[in-house]
Amino acid sequence: NAGVTQTPKFQVLKTGQSMTLQCAQDMNHNSMYWYRQDPGMGLRLIYYSASEGTTDKGEVPNGYNVSRLNKREFSLRLESAAPSQTSVYFCASRAGRETGQPQHFGDGTRLSIL
Amino acid sequence: GNSVTQMEGPVTLSEEAFLTINCTYTATGYPSLFWYVQYPGEGLQLLLKATKADDKGSNKGFEATYRKETTSFHLEKGSVQVSDSAVYFCALSDRAGGGADGLTFGKGTHLIIQP
Repeated sequence: NAGVTQTPKFQVLKTGQSMTLQCAQDMNHNSMYWYRQDPGMGLRLIYYSASEGTTDKGEVPNGYNVSRLNKREFSLRLESAAPSQTSVYFCASRAGRETGQPQHFGDGTRLSIL
Repeated sequence: GNSVTQMEGPVTLSEEAFLTINCTYTATGYPSLFWYVQYPGEGLQLLLKATKADDKGSNKGFEATYRKETTSFHLEKGSVQVSDSAVYFCALSDRAGGGADGLTFGKGTHLIIQP
């Protein structure tokens, strides 16, 4: 089925380790997003890419970097993981930037930092 | 800035009961409004949306009306089922003022339906 695919689904890291979360969409969408979900906090925007070749910070970008590899793929990197980055990470995409267009979400990556 | 406030749960109802989940918002411009649902272990799925005042979004028996005068977008369903048990998120999209191009979410309402 068409949609947003995230890998891995689960990951455990030690403090200071690095890793990259992968996201790919096959809906030919222009815009892609990374959110984190923490208990009692809803989802908060980390970074987004309005189109291929552009990236911008969201509400909580510190400690993360992103790469829009091509139109399909948008990765999130933790250079030196910290326990505060333990969270569920969601990637999303949407066709364009019009506010009425909904975002489509992946199933998430559950990340634990020990 | 933008913000969304929704009732926090858990909200526990009996099957066939009437459901209301309140959602109010503040926004710089004229936002579009959404309800998303999250089932355990899954991502968020769009439930319904509205893009202008007095629009009513509806899907799977759920409804919500965009009320600009009260800045609200309350979710309702006339008769809930056990399968409606999930977490529900109210969200807005508003790019006025040059803000970040993403959704602003409420904290989510955990709904539990008992048989």
